Amino acid sequence: QLQLQESGPGLVKPSETLSLTCSVSGASISSSNDYWVWIRQSPGKGLEWIGSIYSRGSTYYSPSFQSRVTVSLDTSKNQFSLKLSSVTAADTAVYYCVRQVPPGWYDPWGQGTLVTVSS
Amino acid sequence: QSALTQPPSASGSPGQSVTISCTGTSSDVGSYNLVSWYQQHPGKAPKLMIYEVTKRPSGVPDRFSGSKSGNTASLTVSGLQAEDEADYYCNSYVGGNNWVFGGGTKLTVL
Repeated sequence: QLQLQESGPGLVKPSETLSLTCSVSGASISSSNDYWVWIRQSPGKGLEWIGSIYSRGSTYYSPSFQSRVTVSLDTSKNQFSLKLSSVTAADTAVYYCVRQVPPGWYDPWGQGTLVTVSS
Repeated sequence: QSALTQPPSASGSPGQSVTISCTGTSSDVGSYNLVSWYQQHPGKAPKLMIYEVTKRPSGVPDRFSGSKSGNTASLTVSGLQAEDEADYYCNSYVGGNNWVFGGGTKLTVL
């Protein structure tokens, strides 16, 4: 059974870089035809698609984050990661890692991790 | 790209049917049959309920159904049950390997 688990600091200072890792179990992220995605949800708000990486390494980013986001794969650890630079309080959110099944739906989701941006 | 438009709230009594709309444009919902719907209970991760407009994953009750007309997709919940009370989000492909969510609808079972 495929499972995803986010990990990383729960507190990040303004202007610094937010870094999260998603550990995948139950499937190899490099041998699948799936996309691996980051989605966030600000407190009390809706879902926001950040970006994705294909199992072969191609990346796709929302225009809203294009200038400051990087999604990468670590196939040796069966993980993928998110880096979001120059964060502000507006980046405070629960961050989810998710598998995207082609042509396009999200399942399963990680449990989510809350990242707070504050000094 | 802008978020898809959903009503902030919807409600119905147990046993009734309720429909939640998701309105986009001819560039997203209207162009692709790649609309999916997610249910989210408080404090939990979203759960896939409908994909490719009308398809239901195994394990999702057949009380949940999806449809699309023009630039608007819809999720219908029939025979409302107390456990259906949750937030619901739609998602659509917008081209260029980008995707957008709706703002979410809080469904209340009266």
